[in-house]
Formats: sequence, C-alpha cells, structure tokens
Amino acid sequence: DIVMTQSPSSLAVSAGETVTINCKSSQSLFGSVRQKNYLAWYQQKPGQSPKLLIYLASTRESGVPDRFIGSGSGTDFTLTISSVQAEDLANYYCQQYYDTDTFGAGTKLELK
Amino acid sequence: QVQLQQSGAELVKPGSSVKISCKASGYTFTSYDMHWIKQQPGNGLEWIGWIYPGNGNTKYNQKFNGKATLTADKSSSTAYMQLSSLTSEDSAVYFCARTGTMMAIIPFAYWGQGTLVTVSS
Repeated sequence: DIVMTQSPSSLAVSAGETVTINCKSSQSLFGSVRQKNYLAWYQQKPGQSPKLLIYLASTRESGVPDRFIGSGSGTDFTLTISSVQAEDLANYYCQQYYDTDTFGAGTKLELK
Repeated sequence: QVQLQQSGAELVKPGSSVKISCKASGYTFTSYDMHWIKQQPGNGLEWIGWIYPGNGNTKYNQKFNGKATLTADKSSSTAYMQLSSLTSEDSAVYFCARTGTMMAIIPFAYWGQGTLVTVSS
C-alpha cells in the first residue's frame, strides 16, 4: 500500500494567518495516461463527515473558497490556506487514489 | 442532489456481527461504486472496500478481508456492510461514500453521515 505521511500533526494559528500542510507519498501519484496527480484533500469538523476540498492535487471542488490552494506533484504535496478564518478550524486529511485508497493521519488546525 | 443516508448507531457484543446500511438517492445507484471507510475515535481514515451495485463486484482492502462483507440491493438503492467477529478494535464510525465521477477522477465527493459502532459487553 502507498503510505501517506502528513505533517504537522497539529497547527495552532491566528485568524488571518496563512498555513501550510504537507503530505508525502511513499511512491509517485502521477498517472501517465491523464498526466494528473491522484491526490485529494479533505476537511473534517467534529461530528461531521469529511468534506472534499481539492482533487487531482490542485483542483478545487465546487463551492470551496479560493483561499484553499493545493499544489505539488509526484510524491510531495501541499495544502495552503490563506487568511485562515475561524470556520477553517478542523482536521485536514490528504488521500491518494492512484492505487488502493489510503489517507494521511491528519492535521488538526487549532486556534492560537 | 446526491444523498447517502446511513443507519443508526449500534451497540453490539464482542464476537457478534452487525450490518449497517447506506441508502442512496439523487442518482442512478447502479452506476457508481459505493465505498466504505472506517474512522476510529481520534484516528484517521481507513478505506475498507467498494461494491459496484450494477453487478455486485467488490474489492476489499486486504486488512478487511474476512471482516467486512459488502452487498447491495438494487431494488431499494441501499448498500450494506456486514462486520463479523467483532472486537473492540472494530469500534469506530463507518462511512459510506461515493466518488464524484464514474471514472473516479473526483474521489469521495459524497459521504453518508456515518454510523457509530460500539463493541462492548
């Protein structure tokens, strides 16, 4: 299985800050047929289901604010949240769907 | 709109089995895989497997072979997951989820609300 290593495990931020969450895969997620990276990001708030934010490493899901930016290729990926708002406090997970789906362990975004 | 409605919380005894359901609406049930995902308290997400309701084909995470059995009822647009020989390690929230597109370019865009399974004597 592809192992997804996410960092940091938690992050304390103030409203308005820009934060970066990293995700590294144990093998490349780049598919040669479609020339895309099969990497997604999810947001999960307490007591709720995960919500898809980003797919194909950098494509925002419909309705997701443009302060959420996904980047990276191959084995190294980043989720950047610019100007964090109180409603962004949640757990964030990366997921690879290049092969049998696996998730990172998550990053908890907390208020400083 | 796509909706996935899961069955309610279950309290079950060690060694027993439990079957949870996921009723789909708002799309053609037989055209999309239904996935199941486990989340233990305070832990991350773990993919269990999928079923394609159109023909009943399944694929499992090797870790859940023998633990989870996925089925689907086309007549009621409902997917099921049975968990057997339950232990405390099976206590978790279980989600059903559907991809955003048939070709799975968009991964889990739709999720059920989750079903809490608690294994306790």
